[in-house]
Amino acid sequence: EAQVTQNPRYLITVTGKKLTVTCSQNMNHEYMSWYRQDPGLGLRQIYYSMNVEVTDKGDVPEGYKVSRKEKRNFPLILESPSPNQTSLYFCASSAGQGATSEAFFGQGTRLTVV
Amino acid sequence: TQLLEQSPQFLSIQEGENLTVYCNSSSVFSSLQWYRQEPGEGPVLLVTVVTGGEVKKLKRLTFQFGDARKDSSLHITAAQPGDTGLYLCAGRPRYQLIWGAGTKLIIKP
Repeated sequence: EAQVTQNPRYLITVTGKKLTVTCSQNMNHEYMSWYRQDPGLGLRQIYYSMNVEVTDKGDVPEGYKVSRKEKRNFPLILESPSPNQTSLYFCASSAGQGATSEAFFGQGTRLTVV
Repeated sequence: TQLLEQSPQFLSIQEGENLTVYCNSSSVFSSLQWYRQEPGEGPVLLVTVVTGGEVKKLKRLTFQFGDARKDSSLHITAAQPGDTGLYLCAGRPRYQLIWGAGTKLIIKP
């Protein structure tokens, strides 16, 4: 089954404690991205990757890091989480960025930073 | 900054009623997509429209792309409780997807 898998689904952590949210896709997609979703603000892109070892900042990259060492994996790293990073996070992948490319999303990771 | 404005932000109606959700921008898009998101899940693609004036139907859902490719609408006929969810529009001006804030739709039995 084609899917994007995120882990964990839920995470409560304390300010400053480094964490990683994993994302893996089994569709051989080149393009992957991370979003955060906050009420009234919709989906905001954090980082994206057009291929292995190629990453770039999205609209809200401050406080986040990513890496793309393998095509299937695109982890999101919060080196020193702060309460304003409490949010619902989604990883997405697509075959490309053409006009009709479909974005496939993971089930989300609800992060709370206290 | 390119923006996609969705309206209304929230809509609660009775089963059987019709409704329209709008997605507007001042930018021209090469395509526009509509996604639906259910609680606890990621968004799932419903439709992609590419040509100005294009109309696509998905059962009781009708999607239209504006002639100038700056706006789109989603019309639901005889809404059902199963239509409940968050509807998101996403436009692609060139390569990146620009997302609207979403319309939360509740259909009451």
